[in-house]
Amino acid sequence: QVQLQESGPGLVKPSETLSLTCTVSGGSMSGYYWNWIRQPPGKGLEWIGSIYYSGSTNFNPSLKSRVTISVDTSKNQLSLKLSSVTAADTAVYYCARHAVGIAPLYWGQGTLVTVSS
Amino acid sequence: DIQMTQSPSTLSASVGDRVTITCRASQVIRNDLGWYQQKPGKAPKRLIYAASSLQSGVPSRFSGSGSGTEFTLTISSLQPEDFATYYCLQHNSYPYTFGQGTKLEIK
Repeated sequence: QVQLQESGPGLVKPSETLSLTCTVSGGSMSGYYWNWIRQPPGKGLEWIGSIYYSGSTNFNPSLKSRVTISVDTSKNQLSLKLSSVTAADTAVYYCARHAVGIAPLYWGQGTLVTVSS
Repeated sequence: DIQMTQSPSTLSASVGDRVTITCRASQVIRNDLGWYQQKPGKAPKRLIYAASSLQSGVPSRFSGSGSGTEFTLTISSLQPEDFATYYCLQHNSYPYTFGQGTKLEIK
């Protein structure tokens, strides 16, 4: 059974960089797209970006200038970096996997990141 | 960007009711749409993929239909565990976009 687990600091100071890791178990990263999605408290879902296992990326234009997504298939890990964070970046961050042409099936449990001094 | 307009935002219903949630895309997305159920504190769970294909293990009271720009999620007979928030997601083109969500409440 494929499992995804997000990890990283739960508190980040304004203007700093948010860094998260998603560790994949129970399956290979090869052949899939890997996504970051976030959800501010009490609000809806926002797609941040995705990376194919080979390294090609796509980002939400609203965040593109601040986002870096990378994948390390040798470690079965996906990472997210979001720079210059503000309180508006406070959210639960999810990683999720999807196959070509299919909506994401496997999601991590999510990790809450709060931006505050 | 493709906008996904989901309605209603809130839906009050009773156990046993039949309910329908709609997502309208701002441009044609073929059938590149999934429906998700989210309960408080949990990750979204995929119910429907490719607009109308039922995810394995999901009860058959859930169904999806539509293609192009109009899509619906129907729950044929609400059960107590179905009260949750539902989202559609288009993955036809980047950036992927979600509907605003529909909170299904007990009447």
